[in-house]
Amino acid sequence: TQLLEQSPQFLSIQEGENLTVYCNSSSVFSSLQWYRQEPGEGPVLLVTVVTGGEVKKLKRLTFQFGDARKDSSLHITAAQPGDTGLYLCAGADYKLSFGAGTTVTVRA
Amino acid sequence: SQTIHQWPATLVQPVGSPLSLECTVEGTSNPNLYWYRQAAGRGLQLLFYSVGIGQISSEVPQNLSASRPQDRQFILSSKKLLLSDSGFYLCAWRGLAGGPGNEQFFGPGTRLTVL
Repeated sequence: TQLLEQSPQFLSIQEGENLTVYCNSSSVFSSLQWYRQEPGEGPVLLVTVVTGGEVKKLKRLTFQFGDARKDSSLHITAAQPGDTGLYLCAGADYKLSFGAGTTVTVRA
Repeated sequence: SQTIHQWPATLVQPVGSPLSLECTVEGTSNPNLYWYRQAAGRGLQLLFYSVGIGQISSEVPQNLSASRPQDRQFILSSKKLLLSDSGFYLCAWRGLAGGPGNEQFFGPGTRLTVL
């Protein structure tokens, strides 16, 4: 069974600060997705990374896929209260295997 | 564009009662469909997935079952609910001509509370 570990579990920062969340696995994935979920809603896809070493940027969000395609990180620059939510990573083979998530709170 | 619907949005049921949650997808044909359960503030556990009408794969043996009577309809059921069935149930779809990864797109979810 593949296991994705996300860290930290909780993260609370002040508006304007930077943050990084991590997603690590002992298994190799064909691709990895990051989702953000707000309370009471379904997860929303942010990005898919496919190639080892790949870096993708979405405005203030930077996603990196490890060279060995086992781990990934999400970095948010100058966080805003709207970035608050549960960030989930998911590794893909014939299905998605989700990490437990990182709850991010950005205080105004 | 594709949309995914789930209902009901919230449900409170007594222990031992039956359950039926419905998920429908619009704007796509022959999608892969998935049911997940999520504990409060945590990751998603895959319960069932379906690659076509009448084709159901179960990931976790439990008190639930799934059916796909139509191409874009996916139903989660139980004959007798347990307290441990409480949670947030999410339906997701994936198109066969999807992106480079196994991206899935989620519905709004159903909050189930079993009392």
